[in-house]
Amino acid sequence: GNSVTQMEGPVTLSEEAFLTINCTYTATGYPSLFWYVQYPGEGLQLLLKATKADDKGSNKGFEATYRKETTSFHLEKGSVQVSDSAVYFCALSIGNFNKFYFGSGTKLNVKP
Amino acid sequence: SQTIHQWPATLVQPVGSPLSLECTVEGTSNPNLYWYRQAAGRGLQLLFYSVGIGQISSEVPQNLSASRPQDRQFILSSKKLLLSDSGFYLCAWNQGHAYTFGSGTRLTVV
Repeated sequence: GNSVTQMEGPVTLSEEAFLTINCTYTATGYPSLFWYVQYPGEGLQLLLKATKADDKGSNKGFEATYRKETTSFHLEKGSVQVSDSAVYFCALSIGNFNKFYFGSGTKLNVKP
Repeated sequence: SQTIHQWPATLVQPVGSPLSLECTVEGTSNPNLYWYRQAAGRGLQLLFYSVGIGQISSEVPQNLSASRPQDRQFILSSKKLLLSDSGFYLCAWNQGHAYTFGSGTRLTVV
């Protein structure tokens, strides 16, 4: 089947620390991979995406590389800010109807 | 530009009462539309998706139903709410390889 597993939170970091949120997936075909971010009290926003193996998605200083050999799409940022505090969801899209499968979300708390 | 509207933003309903959440999209035609639920402390679960008017696919058995009376309108309903229906409901539409989500409805069943 199709599923996404991401690291449990919450993750608490100090400002300017390096961030990694792990995400691995299983899929019956060749999925597209995404990271979505949910700020407090808001809906989900697309952060970045990658549609094929070895693609790197990037946005707002965040990066993730589609690794087919390890079925992973880990999210990284070199220097986090307090404003990055949010819940991050890893997701895959596959199939004719582009159904999405989401991970359970990882809450990030960044302290000044 | 394409936009998605979802309302209401918050809702408190007693157990056994009916529910109707509405989602509309603008700026596109024949979109794929989706309803997701995010229970407290958990991830997103796909409830329903629709690829056209009157076409509804249910992902999980539950107390809810969905309808698509118009191309850009997607409605989530229940005849009698349960406590377990509480959560954050998100409508989304799909274009190509990414979703656009509505702002969500926080439903509390009391």
